[in-house]
Parts: sequence; C-alpha cells; structure tokens
Amino acid sequence: DADVTQTPRNRITKTGKRIMLECSQTKGHDRMYWYRQDPGLGLRLIYYSFDVKDINKGEISDGYSVSRQAQAKFSLSLESAIPNQTALYFCATSEGFNNEQFFGPGTRLTVL
Amino acid sequence: AQTVTQSQPEMSVQEAETVTLSCTYDTSESDYYLFWYKQPPSRQMILVIRQEAYKQQNATENRFSVNFQKAAKSFSLKISDSQLGDAAMYFCAYRSPLAGGGADGLTFGKGTHLIIQP
Repeated sequence: DADVTQTPRNRITKTGKRIMLECSQTKGHDRMYWYRQDPGLGLRLIYYSFDVKDINKGEISDGYSVSRQAQAKFSLSLESAIPNQTALYFCATSEGFNNEQFFGPGTRLTVL
Repeated sequence: AQTVTQSQPEMSVQEAETVTLSCTYDTSESDYYLFWYKQPPSRQMILVIRQEAYKQQNATENRFSVNFQKAAKSFSLKISDSQLGDAAMYFCAYRSPLAGGGADGLTFGKGTHLIIQP
C-alpha cells in the first residue's frame, strides 16, 4: 500500500464549484504539505502544516484553504474553483525539518 | 526568498552515456538542504539524491552524483551510464533549515526534461 495517498486522482469540475482534495499518510510524519504543479513552472507551495494545530500559508495560498483533521490527514479545498486553478496537485509529508519530503501520486484537477 | 534556477529546459543523451543537469540557487542562508527529484511520465515525484550544505563531500547514490559548489551556489546532477528508465523531468529543490524560524517547504526549479536516446 502507498504511504501517501491522494483522492481523487483526477477531477473535472466547473467554475464556481467547491472542491476538496484529500491526502492521507501512513508514514507517521508530523509535517504535511500541498503543492501545485503547472507546466513549465515546477511545483509551488500552497499550504503546510506542522501538526493539527499549526497551519501555515505558502507561496500561493490565495483561493485555497486547508484542514488538518488528524496527524495523518490533510485536505485542500477550493471554495469557488476558477479555470486558472487547473493544475496537478501534490500532497507531501516529512519528518522533522531536515529530511526529504515524500510525495503522493498527485491529483489532476481541471476547472472548466 | 530563495530562488532555484534550472537553465536547461531539455537535455538529450545517448543510452549508456553520462549527462549533467545544472541547478543554481540564490540564498542568504548558510545552512540548508538541496534535493534532486525525478518525475517520470507516471507523474510520481521520486527523490533521487539529497545534499546537506554543511557537508563538503558530494552526495552519491549509485549512478547519480552531485557536484555541490557552495560558494558558487551551484548543485548539478550527474547521471552516469544513462538508462532508458532515467527519462523523466528532473527538479532541483531547496529547503531552509528552519532554525531561524523561516518558512518550511521546498522551493523548486522549473525542471529539466531528460530524453534518453536508445
């Protein structure tokens, strides 16, 4: 079984709809992250969380919100989706601040 | 804020040959971490190699090695004996040490598309 899972893997939605992307991990890591990948731009950080009570904005948090329901679960919401939020979204985890991040398989989101 | 630059959008190499992917970064921090991630067509992000800035010795993982030049803020990836399975996007990434209370998360370059010619 994968250590970091994301649901759904693919989603097509319409402008103005509310969307939630979910991430779960079995690695027992304390830190979780959401990134967005656009063609030619690499990955950019949306939000990160050190634990269930610690949520922090990343480089591109506008238009997004997150919830850390438990140590193992970190959800990303788009309250009112817009077409320029069409992208590949990755969840990642890490243990401590000096270790690498482990990525989920990604969610491809298309907003029409 | 830190920035990471990968100046080669695409590289091509013959199978079994050696290729070097370039990465430079800009930071005012003295201690940090650098990574190379591979993203094959499956889109999964896979860690290739990591380097701690306080270590002078260049990291090596089998056919993958880095040339870390701290003063020049350069972190290139060398792939020896290239294989067809090495074909992918490669991303260079920077991470702050957090000791100074800075933000967490990775700062990525825009990636280099590596093509392996059979």
